[in-house]
Amino acid sequence: AQSVTQLDSHVSVSEGTPVLLRCNYSSSYSPSLFWYVQHPNKGLQLLLKYTSAATLVKGINGFEAEFKKSETSFHLTKPSAHMSDAAEYFCVVSDQVGAQKLVFGQGTRLTINP
Amino acid sequence: ETGVTQSPTHLIKTRGQQVTLRCSSQSGHNTVSWYQQALGQGPQFIFQYYREEENGRGNFPPRFSGLQFPNYSSELNVNALELDDSALYLCASSLGGLAGGREQYFGPGTRLTVT
Repeated sequence: AQSVTQLDSHVSVSEGTPVLLRCNYSSSYSPSLFWYVQHPNKGLQLLLKYTSAATLVKGINGFEAEFKKSETSFHLTKPSAHMSDAAEYFCVVSDQVGAQKLVFGQGTRLTINP
Repeated sequence: ETGVTQSPTHLIKTRGQQVTLRCSSQSGHNTVSWYQQALGQGPQFIFQYYREEENGRGNFPPRFSGLQFPNYSSELNVNALELDDSALYLCASSLGGLAGGREQYFGPGTRLTVT
């Protein structure tokens, strides 16, 4: 069975400093991994996706994530936080076989301090 | 290109009633998935439709049912509403049907409140 653990429920950083959101996953098969962002009262927006190509994945708005199979991790990073990055972030796993079921983590709320 | 749309935006129902939520998929997408997001939680997979048939279901009771139409739009029906059904219901569309690992594109959601 697939599962995702987001290691921090809340991360707070200052504007202009790096962002690190941590995610560990469990999957029986070769997983696809995603990060989605949800701004208040909005739907989910895809930030980036990993599907067994390059282990370092670049996404939108300057975000990137590194797939580390040995550590079963898929941490999300950004070199310099912007006020508009304040939102809820979800790490998501999906097996590459079978139905396209996305399994979400509990989310990490990112707060940006001026 | 039109994104995923959902209706209505908000809905208030009484316990025991029935509700229908609607979703139009992104242009060209043939697969629709539904998710329930309770307050402060990550979304939970309800079920997925491909070619008008259910293709995978999460841990939800049979009173949650759905339909997909030939134009790939979809409905989520919930019977005998319970207070715990209060949540944001998200629809997502994608390509590929039976192939896993595809990215899904989400609509803005329908906020259901059961009183």
